[in-house]
Amino acid sequence: NAGVMQNPRHLVRRRGQEARLRCSPMKGHSHVYWYRQLPEEGLKFMVYLQKENIIDESGMPKERFSAEFPKEGPSILRIQQVVRGDSAAYFCASSPPAAGSTANVLTFGAGSRLTVL
Amino acid sequence: AQSVSQHNHHVILSEAASLELGCNYSYGGTVNLFWYVQYPGQHLQLLLKYFSGDPLVKGIKGFEAEFIKSKFSFNLRKPSVQWSDTAEYFCAVRAAGNKLTFGGGTRVLVKP
Repeated sequence: NAGVMQNPRHLVRRRGQEARLRCSPMKGHSHVYWYRQLPEEGLKFMVYLQKENIIDESGMPKERFSAEFPKEGPSILRIQQVVRGDSAAYFCASSPPAAGSTANVLTFGAGSRLTVL
Repeated sequence: AQSVSQHNHHVILSEAASLELGCNYSYGGTVNLFWYVQYPGQHLQLLLKYFSGDPLVKGIKGFEAEFIKSKFSFNLRKPSVQWSDTAEYFCAVRAAGNKLTFGGGTRVLVKP
């Protein structure tokens, strides 16, 4: 029973390039969350998605960042025209359908470490 | 907006010492509370969680946490740490909506 799978684990990009990070949730999980961990900082919420629907993107930078969770395939966090400040670990988490309950636990992936040269 | 604060950024202690990590949150309504641990080079793992009931929660690896509603706190404790407890510890709160809000983390170094 695979957990939350993220790839790539490490990604190096030059300034101005695009970065795409992928996340496959646990089997049976339909909710995906993306968090960013900057060096020496905690995890900051970015976006919460269900299949084909963005539920909460209050933590996403207004420009260059986008996320999707299509009907088929993994969730993708896309960063266009990367800058050095985007260097961070990006963690994906998933949870089962909430169904009105708040008693769900997020399961995290191993993270994708982005380095911008 | 809810926020979570962890008082200590770094803690250094010796094996067999007791550990207590503070966590306070700001939200007046019903909350779910979590502690996650991130061992070096690994992903976040759930240590324990509180949803309701007994405010003293026991988790894995001998950790426990106490929810004190009047103080908006959810401190993590372990009576006797081991070298393998060296990790970063994150407190997290879920209030309205499904997202978790994390504290800044506390890096714990246990000296052998």
